Amino acid sequence: EPEVTQTPSHQVTQMGQEVILRCVPISNHLYFYWYRQILGQKVEFLVSFYNNEISEKSEIFDDQFSVERPDGSNFTLKIRSTKLEDSAMYFCASSEGQGGDQPQHFGDGTRLSIL
Amino acid sequence: AQRVTQPEKLLSVFKGAPVELKCNYSYSGSPELFWYVQYSRQRLQLLLRHISRESIKGFTADLNKGETSFHLKKPFAQEEDSAMYYCAPLGGANNLFFGTGTRLTVIP
Repeated sequence: EPEVTQTPSHQVTQMGQEVILRCVPISNHLYFYWYRQILGQKVEFLVSFYNNEISEKSEIFDDQFSVERPDGSNFTLKIRSTKLEDSAMYFCASSEGQGGDQPQHFGDGTRLSIL
Repeated sequence: AQRVTQPEKLLSVFKGAPVELKCNYSYSGSPELFWYVQYSRQRLQLLLRHISRESIKGFTADLNKGETSFHLKKPFAQEEDSAMYYCAPLGGANNLFFGTGTRLTVIP
């Protein structure tokens, strides 16, 4: 069964540095998402992406964040200048379409640790 | 805005006992809801979607619009059901709003 893949599984970065988290969505999916989960808290929506542009973003997704689909397969999340509070598990997801009959499929996540 | 409440952070039941994981939501519009499960060291996986009214791994969930609930139920819990369960309504922008989750432990 096709899966969403994320790399790296764990990223350790100094505060203030830029970090790029990578995702390969399922190949025939058109909608892409990033979520994050701070330790001990719930999974929170960051951003959705469709047709090479952001569809929706949450309050968390400020100017420090950006997403890109640089080629036909990768979907990246960049954090420009990391802060301690960016430490979290970041999940990528993709779906074929929108709505209740088009579930989102999640990757294993990237654990981001900011020192 | 979508909101979801999972009142139990932890739930323990004995093997073979019925289990019910509670989920209440608030929304504007027609709700579309999912249950996701995360087994130990595995990714978030779709368990159920209300739109298909299916039973997966013995679990069912009925949308009760009057009570704004989407509780997850299984008549006889199995050890392999031990996991983290998340109720998640779908927002208007197709983003999932996750609850805080319930960690289910099935005691042998």
